[in-house]
Amino acid sequence: DAGVIQSPRHEVTEMGQEVTLRCKPISGHNSLFWYRQTMMRGLELLIYFNNNVPIDDSGMPEDRFSAKMPNASFSTLKIQPSEPRDSAVYFCASKASTYEQYFGPGTRLTVT
Amino acid sequence: GNSVTQMEGPVTLSEEAFLTINCTYTATGYPSLFWYVQYPGEGLQLLLKATKADDKGSNKGFEATYRKETTSFHLEKGSVQVSDSAVYFCALITNAGKSTFGDGTTLTVKP
Repeated sequence: DAGVIQSPRHEVTEMGQEVTLRCKPISGHNSLFWYRQTMMRGLELLIYFNNNVPIDDSGMPEDRFSAKMPNASFSTLKIQPSEPRDSAVYFCASKASTYEQYFGPGTRLTVT
Repeated sequence: GNSVTQMEGPVTLSEEAFLTINCTYTATGYPSLFWYVQYPGEGLQLLLKATKADDKGSNKGFEATYRKETTSFHLEKGSVQVSDSAVYFCALITNAGKSTFGDGTTLTVKP
């Protein structure tokens, strides 16, 4: 099993640009989570999907952030426009019907 | 709402020392409890879990027992190694699938 796949692994962009982060969950998993990790705030849950449907997006910081899951094998997290305070490591995780989540390697985003 | 409170770090130990990282939680219902470990530059990996009261999760010499009466899930290891140096996260997941993570505790083990 390849595990959760995230791309890109590193992204450097300028303030105001659109950023799209991608995630491929483990095959057969029906829930997908997006997290953000920073030194200041730790690990924050942004949004999670169940069977491709967004269940809780209360952690999405503001309207500049949006997430989609068009099918069971792909999800995106988009930031438009990006700001320096969005710099963080973004993790995607997926799980099956059991409780444990499996995390991807993360995308390190730097907004200058 | 739900919350997870972890012992503040960083924690620095000598090799072969005993480790305890405290974790307490607040949640409605009966959540499942987890410890995850994050090595530098990597994502979180599941270390162990417990899904009901009095369950003991164990893996790689680490243990934690789900204590409902004290709402705790403390992580322990009898003899740490340098390779255990990492950030450890306590987490809960409710029956509805919502997850809450602690702030993480950084462990450094010196030879």
